[in-house]
Amino acid sequence: ILNVEQSPQSLHVQEGDSTNFTCSFPSSNFYALHWYRWETAKSPEALFVMTLNGDEKKKGRISATLNTKEGYSYLYIKGSQPEDSATYLCAFKSYGQNFVFGPGTRLSVLP
Amino acid sequence: GAVVSQHPSRVICKSGTSVKIECRSLDFQATTMFWYRQFPKQSLMLMATSNEGSKATYEQGVEKDKFLINHASLTLSTLTVTSAHPEDSSFYICSARDSGSNQPQHFGDGTRLSIL
Repeated sequence: ILNVEQSPQSLHVQEGDSTNFTCSFPSSNFYALHWYRWETAKSPEALFVMTLNGDEKKKGRISATLNTKEGYSYLYIKGSQPEDSATYLCAFKSYGQNFVFGPGTRLSVLP
Repeated sequence: GAVVSQHPSRVICKSGTSVKIECRSLDFQATTMFWYRQFPKQSLMLMATSNEGSKATYEQGVEKDKFLINHASLTLSTLTVTSAHPEDSSFYICSARDSGSNQPQHFGDGTRLSIL
């Protein structure tokens, strides 16, 4: 069973702070990594699809980087806002396998 | 964007009841849908991959006869929890994917199942 880890499990930041968290995955047989945002009472929403080592993706104040050789991806949020409060999930896929989800990082942005 | 509808959102029923959960892709055709289960404070665990027109592929440890999956059309997959017991109480969520194994998944809102 592939092990996908995310850290921290949860964090609280003040509005305006920038923050980042990590997704760790096996460094061999990499196919793709997805990031999702899951707000309370809503369905998970895809943020980024990352496929190449060194990929950097950006959507507004949120960006992500990918290092497939060492097996990690960072998600950054610049100038956090209360509406960024959600659980952020990463999902890792190796060749021939289904996506495996990490446990998520729960972000709370305090006004 | 793509929308996936899942219902019911919440079910409370007695032990021994069978419960059917529907997952529909509303604006795209999904040849593949996924069913996940989430235990408290844990990650989404894939139960099975639902393939339109063929048998579902179940993950190791998931009982096929317990969790019946039917994917009769390109827009609908159903999960039936047969003779549900309290240990089946959980959060179940489906997703659908456009063609291409690297496309992101579009999730339903999930179903909270509580078996008394």
